Amino acid sequence: GAGVSQSPRYKVAKRGQDVALRCDPISGHVSLFWYQQALGQGPEFLTYFQNEAQLDKSGLPSDRFFAERPEGSVSTLKIQRTQQEDSAVYLCASSLALFQSYTFGSGTRLTVV
Amino acid sequence: AQRVTQPEKLLSVFKGAPVELKCNYSYSGSPELFWYVQYSRQRLQLLLRHISRESIKGFTADLNKGETSFHLKKPFAQEEDSAMYYCALGISGGYNKLIFGAGTRLAVHP
Repeated sequence: GAGVSQSPRYKVAKRGQDVALRCDPISGHVSLFWYQQALGQGPEFLTYFQNEAQLDKSGLPSDRFFAERPEGSVSTLKIQRTQQEDSAVYLCASSLALFQSYTFGSGTRLTVV
Repeated sequence: AQRVTQPEKLLSVFKGAPVELKCNYSYSGSPELFWYVQYSRQRLQLLLRHISRESIKGFTADLNKGETSFHLKKPFAQEEDSAMYYCALGISGGYNKLIFGAGTRLAVHP
C-alpha cells in the first residue's frame, strides 16, 4: 500500500479483556517497529522486527504484551488482560532497510475502561 | 542513560517571529538526531535528520556535541508551522531504535 496502515483506529476494551492491534507496513519494508505513546508523552519503543524475526523486545512493559510478524509483513501486537495503564496510542512504523528513516502509521488509540 | 529532553511543552509565537525549539540529549555513543513533526490529525512524519544537514520547510537544526543539543530553528514562523514537534535520538545497535522527547507544541498566531 501507499503507507503504513493500522487497524482498528480506535479500540475501547474493558479491563481484563484481550486485544489485538494490526499493522500493515509498506510493501517490501524489512524493518517494523511498535511504539507506545501515552497522553502528553513522546512515543516509547516497544519492539522491533527484521522481516519475521523479533530482534528486540526490550520495551515491552510486561509479559501481557506479545508481538508477532509470522510472514515478515503484517504484524500484530497483542495485549492480554488489559489494564487501565495500557491506555495509549500504539504506533507502528516501517522502513525499507536497517538505517532508513521510518514511515509511521496513524496509530491505534486504545482506551481501557 | 539515554534520554531526550524538550524543556518546553508549549511555544507560542506570532507569525514572522523567529522560532527555536530546544532539544538536549544524553547518550554515551555516537548520536544520530532527528526531528519529527505531527500536524493536526496527521501521522507522525520525519522533518529532518542531522546527518542530512538540509533545510526542510525553512527549518534547520545543528548538532552540538559539546552542549549535547539539537535545537530546531526557523527565522520566520508561519501559521502552517503550528504542530507538535518531537526530537528523537537514534541508538546505534544494528538498527534505528529511537528515543523520543516528550514533544513541544508550537502555536503560531496571526
